[in-house]
Amino acid sequence: DTAVSQTPKYLVTQMGNDKSIKCEQNLGHDTMYWYKQDSKKFLKIMFSYNNKELIINETVPNRFSPKSPDKAHLNLHINSLELGDSAVYFCASSQGLLAGGWNEQFFGPGTRLTVL
Amino acid sequence: AQSVTQPDIHITVSEGASLELRCNYSYGATPYLFWYVQSPGQGLQLLLKYFSGDTLVQGIKGFEAEFKRSQSSFNLRKPSVHWSDAAEYFCAADSGGGADGLTFGKGTHLIIQP
Repeated sequence: DTAVSQTPKYLVTQMGNDKSIKCEQNLGHDTMYWYKQDSKKFLKIMFSYNNKELIINETVPNRFSPKSPDKAHLNLHINSLELGDSAVYFCASSQGLLAGGWNEQFFGPGTRLTVL
Repeated sequence: AQSVTQPDIHITVSEGASLELRCNYSYGATPYLFWYVQSPGQGLQLLLKYFSGDTLVQGIKGFEAEFKRSQSSFNLRKPSVHWSDAAEYFCAADSGGGADGLTFGKGTHLIIQP
């Protein structure tokens, strides 16, 4: 029944490692997003995809690479993890470009990434 | 540049008292406006949303918000808070472009005093 799910919920890893966070939505939405919430709780858009196509790529290091195998999934792969990558990462989805009005976003539960 | 401002980082309210959380936006045109709540260790839950129509919007959990175009504001209110309302509250805006993502304010941390 979960609308937007993310795995894992917690991720603890060493600097320099490569890790992935998975996101799936069962709402039939066309658009998915990744947000980063820093230690001060500030939320900022990282990426958005519409129907598997990259729409927004904010100023995010190249070490972050989103991948959308189909429109229900948007995974986030992070290479060479750094201490500053420690944050909570939220996935979201919305009807997006076909909304014709409302573009309400539904958020996943978040993945807390800790880089040691 | 588009922005959302929540001027209050922390607000402390006594249980049973009324609440108002402030939000101002800076956009070329009126954006879609949202209020989300985040309880400790939890995800984001939508409280209410506005784009057009009645400027007083009712949401879940007894919250309402009033849109004031002249003040570029979208303040969140609740007549009587409960201890369970203690959380982080985020105002957010969307230009309506379809896949632009939300622009969030920095959040207001609500503390409820017994």
